[in-house]
Amino acid sequence: DGGITQSPKYLFRKEGQNVTLSCEQNLNHDAMYWYRQDPGQGLRLIYYSQIVNDFQKGDIAEGYSVSREKKESFPLTVTSAQKNPTAFYLCASSTSDRGEQYFGPGTRLTVT
Amino acid sequence: AQKVTQAQTEISVVEKEDVTLDCVYETRDTTYYLFWYKQPPSGELVFLIRRNSFDEQNEISGRYSWNFQKSTSSFNFTITASQVVDSAVYFCALRPLIQGAQKLVFGQGTRLTINP
Repeated sequence: DGGITQSPKYLFRKEGQNVTLSCEQNLNHDAMYWYRQDPGQGLRLIYYSQIVNDFQKGDIAEGYSVSREKKESFPLTVTSAQKNPTAFYLCASSTSDRGEQYFGPGTRLTVT
Repeated sequence: AQKVTQAQTEISVVEKEDVTLDCVYETRDTTYYLFWYKQPPSGELVFLIRRNSFDEQNEISGRYSWNFQKSTSSFNFTITASQVVDSAVYFCALRPLIQGAQKLVFGQGTRLTINP
């Protein structure tokens, strides 16, 4: 089955620690995205990548970093510089020519 | 600047009622895509529909229908004979049809609750 996987589903970290969220897709999509969702709010774009070894900042990139070494993988690191990292993180992917993005199941990160 | 507004934060109806979710957008682009997504309690966003700005035909898919009106910059979503399984948060989104511009702009979402 083609799709997007994110792991883990729930993640707990202590303040001051970096944490990396995994995102893998086997849809052969060129573009991948990371969004953050806070309770009762819409999605905000953190980073996106249209091709391997290239990525762009979204609207709220501060305190986050990404890499795109393989087409299938787009991991997100939440650094200690992120002031309020507790949120629901969603990864998505899309083809270059069509508009719709397909989403993974999400990772709920709690930092205490 | 691009913006999507879903003015209805929460809607609650009784099962079998029809319900319409409103979406109003702002963009200076002449060509763009519009989308609706469903987010059930599990959290994953499910793609429902994509509409091109140059295609104003309404679309029906089972109990779901979409009304796109460019003149009022609206792309409303109607669920006919609602069911409890329709309970979710629904997002409307906008994307320009420019090569390489793949960012989606999402509305704030409408939480729909269907009561038995």
